Amino acid sequence: DIQMTQSPSSLSASVGDRVTITCRASQTIYRSLNWYQQKPGKAPKLLIYTASNLQVGVPSRFSGSGSGTDFSLTISSVQPEDFATYFCHQTFTTPCSFGQGTKLEI
Amino acid sequence: EVQLVESGGDLVQPGGSLRLSCSASGFTFSYFPMHWVRQAPGKGLEFVSSISSNGGSISYGDSVKGRFTISRDNSKNTLYLQMSSLRAEDTAVYYCVKEQYSGSYFFEYWGQGTLVTVSS
Repeated sequence: DIQMTQSPSSLSASVGDRVTITCRASQTIYRSLNWYQQKPGKAPKLLIYTASNLQVGVPSRFSGSGSGTDFSLTISSVQPEDFATYFCHQTFTTPCSFGQGTKLEI
Repeated sequence: EVQLVESGGDLVQPGGSLRLSCSASGFTFSYFPMHWVRQAPGKGLEFVSSISSNGGSISYGDSVKGRFTISRDNSKNTLYLQMSSLRAEDTAVYYCVKEQYSGSYFFEYWGQGTLVTVSS
């Protein structure tokens, strides 16, 4: 099975900061990588699919990049509503697998 | 509007069984593969099971293989997860998820989740 490793596990930021979360796969997954945001007590929400495609309705301050084994999620200017936990997710193989999550804190 | 509404979560004793349901609306259910994903309290996300649009292709995570069974009834727009031989480590919120495909597949919509607690 493919292991997904996110870094950092937690991240402190201020409103307006640019933040980047990285995700590394244990083997190549080409561009089969998605990103989700989860707020406490809520279901995850899709942000980015297939490495760099912004889901409809997601603000353009979110962007994704990468291919192969190394990927990143960037928030260009963090807003108060962005403080949440972020998960990467590979779907190149079955079973799919998730990163352990990155908690973005104020 | 896509809606996925899970039900069936409960407190169950170790070794017991439970069936989860997910009622889908707002899209043509029979066209899309569906998944179950779980999240233990304070933990990350874990793939549980998936089923193709016509039910002909099924997969399970290693931790539930042989104990859980996924199924769907396209006439009722409903996804199921039959859980047996439950263990304490199966305690989690279980999410029903709709798949979408664009170059690769992803989890487009998630239900609100249903809590399964395995404890004596």
